[in-house]
Amino acid sequence: DAGVTQSPTHLIKTRGQHVTLRCSPISGHKSVSWYQQVLGQGPQFIFQYYEKEERGRGNFPDRFSARQFPNYSSELNVNALLLGDSALYLCASSRGQRHTDTQYFGPGTRLTVL
Amino acid sequence: QQQVKQSPQSLIVQKGGISIINCAYENTAFDYFPWYQQFPGKGPALLIAIRPDVSEKKEGRFTISFNKSAKQFSLHIMDSQPGDSATYFCAASAASNRDDKIIFGKGTRLHILP
Repeated sequence: DAGVTQSPTHLIKTRGQHVTLRCSPISGHKSVSWYQQVLGQGPQFIFQYYEKEERGRGNFPDRFSARQFPNYSSELNVNALLLGDSALYLCASSRGQRHTDTQYFGPGTRLTVL
Repeated sequence: QQQVKQSPQSLIVQKGGISIINCAYENTAFDYFPWYQQFPGKGPALLIAIRPDVSEKKEGRFTISFNKSAKQFSLHIMDSQPGDSATYFCAASAASNRDDKIIFGKGTRLHILP
């Protein structure tokens, strides 16, 4: 089975622009979570979606938004990009929404904001 | 109170030795403690996890020791191999957490000398 896939792999944007990152979960997984990983730090939780509904939101500004589609794939949108948004954005999928459900991470999208 | 403090930041161990990484938490509501392994260019992958009702869990060469009263837990890698060289993250989560689904430590960069 294919693992979690994310696109694009790398992205370079300038301050003030908007970006959309995409994630396809493992087949059969209904939950998708998004994380931001700044260089040298652990992942920081941004959102969790389960059955197309938001089930959790981390401490991120409203410039960050996400959605989940009927096929359980997901998009993360970031508006008005700041230099500090430069990071690796990770998507993880799991079968359910329980916090003990094993999360499977994708390889991430490396976002650079200039 | 939501932090997970991880140490050391980096660790060098001889092949065949024991690698030990420590984590501490404050929030007594945490009830699930996973460890993740991350190789360069890859997303984190679940290595082993423990619930607070047990003091130790072993899977192959990897063991988690859990001290509920001290609010500390650690990862032991026995017979460390060069292939274990990676960054390791401890994490903690609680069923009651909606806005911080899972909290990661800052990571430990482990290097096993051949």
